Amino acid sequence: DVKVTQSSRYLVKRTGEKVFLECVQDMDHENMFWYRQDPGLGLRLIYFSYDVKMKEKGDIPEGYSVSREKKERFSLILESASTNQTSMYLCASSLRGAPKNNEQFFGPGTRLTVL
Amino acid sequence: RKEVEQDPGPFNVPEGATVAFNCTYSNSASQSFFWYRQDCRKEPKLLMSVYSSGNEDGRFTAQLNRASQYISLLIRDSKLSDSATYLCVVNPAGSARQLTFGSGTQLTVLP
Repeated sequence: DVKVTQSSRYLVKRTGEKVFLECVQDMDHENMFWYRQDPGLGLRLIYFSYDVKMKEKGDIPEGYSVSREKKERFSLILESASTNQTSMYLCASSLRGAPKNNEQFFGPGTRLTVL
Repeated sequence: RKEVEQDPGPFNVPEGATVAFNCTYSNSASQSFFWYRQDCRKEPKLLMSVYSSGNEDGRFTAQLNRASQYISLLIRDSKLSDSATYLCVVNPAGSARQLTFGSGTQLTVLP
């Protein structure tokens, strides 16, 4: 079974802090994604990566950055956390190439609260 | 206009009922379509792909209408375990990697 793990289930940070969210997958997937999920807005793509050291902006990249130094690990960084970044953050991974890339496997999520 | 729109519900139905969800998408060139399921406080998981000819998986039937740009999911003989949020998902045209998720339709099956 594909396993995607995230470093924390719950995180509370203060405004202005730097926040690191880690994601690790164990199935040698090329593609990795970071989403945030908010009520009524669904999942919105922040960034994705299709290879080591490669990254592309998603729909809402402002205020975030990412790092992919190893194939299995994709990190999301909030340089200076703000209250509007309070959300559920979901990491996902998938294989490269259709149609397999259409199935994304998600981690359990990190609920981040910024005070 | 959102790229993928769904009725948020909630849909509350008794066990054994048949329930249908619809979803519309804005990009007429979209290539691939899916339904994901998300249980309460859990991550989304792929439920089924949606093919032009329509497809069935047990009690679940998915249909695609390209002319009207909508996708449907029909659940027959609802079970308590079907209670979840159902996410309509579209692979935008030209994207080899990205999926666009609807905000989901919440279903509660009542005993």
